[in-house]
Amino acid sequence: DTGVSQNPRHKITKRGQNVTFRCDPISEHNRLYWYRQTLGQGPEFLTYFQNEAQLEKSRLLSDRFSAERPKGSFSTLEIQRTEQGDSAMYLCASSSALVLQETQYFGPGTRLLVL
Amino acid sequence: AQTVTQSQPEMSVQEAETVTLSCTYDTSESDYYLFWYKQPPSRQMILVIRQEAYKQQNATENRFSVNFQKAAKSFSLKISDSQLGDAAMYFCAYRKDNDMRFGAGTRLTVKP
Repeated sequence: DTGVSQNPRHKITKRGQNVTFRCDPISEHNRLYWYRQTLGQGPEFLTYFQNEAQLEKSRLLSDRFSAERPKGSFSTLEIQRTEQGDSAMYLCASSSALVLQETQYFGPGTRLLVL
Repeated sequence: AQTVTQSQPEMSVQEAETVTLSCTYDTSESDYYLFWYKQPPSRQMILVIRQEAYKQQNATENRFSVNFQKAAKSFSLKISDSQLGDAAMYFCAYRKDNDMRFGAGTRLTVKP
């Protein structure tokens, strides 16, 4: 396994458009996390899945954001009616609940620019 | 709410020297995990070192070690024999269950 992958790596869109990002976690990992990272800041938690269930959402995740993990494998994060303030790096991480300490492994991120 | 503070936005070290990055956190919990992650320019974040709060012994990974002071809620990272490849943003992170919080990061420059 080559680790967590994310697509696309870069996305430029116009304000008001919808965008969707994909995350493929490490295959044996049952937990998946989405974070947002703005320039000069650390990642901020957005949401978390255990298998296909979305167990936690941050207040940062407005109604325009939706995340799914339909089969408990890959996940998608959709932003509707994008705003310039949505410009950021969106990071995905995965971990295994079966492993003590449960380290999160991060993907390379999708950098979103909203014009 | 748990917060993580990295008071050094930027640090610089001479190649082969030692540097210490600071991190403090705020929590009322007794069991939690602490991490240092490294994020090289335009590359993904990777785990450097991990510390369980219930362990008194400081974690060590090759040239990387931590000074974990639980009572002071301090978790500093020491990088020994710094190498050019150590140049990156370093993030301190706190985790309790599924709540993971990151500091704002410290940009480390390594001078040849």
